[in-house]
Amino acid sequence: GAVVSQHPSWVICKSGTSVKIECRSLDFQATTMFWYRQFPKQSLMLMATSNEGSKATYEQGVEKDKFLINHASLTLSTLTVTSAHPEDSSFYICSARGRPGSSYNEQFFGPGTRLTVL
Amino acid sequence: LAKTTQPISMDSYEGQEVNITCSHNNIATNDYITWYQQFPSQGPRFIIQGYKTKVTNEVASLFIPADRKSSTLSLPRVSLSDTAVYYCLVGGNSGYALNFGKGTSLLVTP
Repeated sequence: GAVVSQHPSWVICKSGTSVKIECRSLDFQATTMFWYRQFPKQSLMLMATSNEGSKATYEQGVEKDKFLINHASLTLSTLTVTSAHPEDSSFYICSARGRPGSSYNEQFFGPGTRLTVL
Repeated sequence: LAKTTQPISMDSYEGQEVNITCSHNNIATNDYITWYQQFPSQGPRFIIQGYKTKVTNEVASLFIPADRKSSTLSLPRVSLSDTAVYYCLVGGNSGYALNFGKGTSLLVTP
């Protein structure tokens, strides 16, 4: 149990276009989802936290208008990188947490999405 | 949020036991200690979690002293496939996100 998937696993896009990344909890309901970004040879950096049905909370320095997060259901969150530029090229990882008190009350991570902006 | 400190890198030979220690001096009373493993271009994979004393599962052991200001991940008889980055994190049960430190890059060689 506790599987989190991401789609696509990798994507290449042209500068100025928008890219959507999906994160799904396959066998549990994720009341909270988190989005991280990881540059080469660096650690994961938290970008934002989203609770189902609520607006995402962004970390300092992360542009909410550039990285649109939607958590419309208990099993799906999406991250849209708008007007992507080469500096947005990175490895994007989501994680999902189940309801407090449930057996899924910890963070389960997805496999990541490699974004390359040309 | 509790800050963690771990060695940047470690080297080991195949078959040896590897112990990675993490310092977390300002751990909160309700914080758990969790270790993750990450291979290149993959998401972090849960290894083990504990609150105090010793926890053991099929892949690792976690030793936590009484003051909980540090913890040690023990990997018995490592293999080449254990080459990865290992992250020690504290927290996790409060609903807030896990914050990753720099991690320890473990290299296992023949």
